[in-house]
Amino acid sequence: DSGVTQTPKHLITATGQRVTLRCSPRSGDLSVYWYQQSLDQGLQFLIQYYNGEERAKGNILERFSAQQFPDLHSELNLSSLELGDSALYFCASSVESGTHGETQYFGPGTRLLVL
Amino acid sequence: QQPVQSPQAVILREGEDAVINCSSSKALYSVHWYRQKHGEAPVFLMILLKGGEQKGHDKISASFNEKKQQSSLYLTASQLSYSGTYFCGTEWNTDKLIFGTGTRLQVFP
Repeated sequence: DSGVTQTPKHLITATGQRVTLRCSPRSGDLSVYWYQQSLDQGLQFLIQYYNGEERAKGNILERFSAQQFPDLHSELNLSSLELGDSALYFCASSVESGTHGETQYFGPGTRLLVL
Repeated sequence: QQPVQSPQAVILREGEDAVINCSSSKALYSVHWYRQKHGEAPVFLMILLKGGEQKGHDKISASFNEKKQQSSLYLTASQLSYSGTYFCGTEWNTDKLIFGTGTRLQVFP
């Protein structure tokens, strides 16, 4: 158990809908990262927040957005969902801003299925 | 610039050794190695920082050749529990970790 929690564990929804994925980092960690993992694919970095501020952006679609709240939990919002958005979404956290060689601890993931 | 991992898949008998390679086209600051079992979260194995260091614990070790922008993960005397997909994550810029496509390792008794 990494100490990172994600809810819900599974999400099944229809195309065109909107969902929110939630992540609570390890106690004391200030950075939260979001990754998307499609079937048999690697981990695609989406976005990072550090202490409430957006820190780095990866291959995140415009239909997706995220935020980190004052209590440091983070939410990833996915809207206008398409079949191709079906994937495992992981959240990870680290102590600081992730600069140079910091370990990221991954949550158990949210499995999203868009029908 | 996603790092390239090789081989894509490895099948081993218990007790055999394996090497997984990770190459980048960019100058790296660090390389991170993770193992992921099917349907589970990636689990951190180790980080190697620039300087060409070698690290290891138990029978899993890794090296980092900064000049070649390459890292290798060494699994010796493999155990059934080593099965999974191994990902390298490379860092050349602050705040971003870019993962390779993974190497699937299957260990049979």
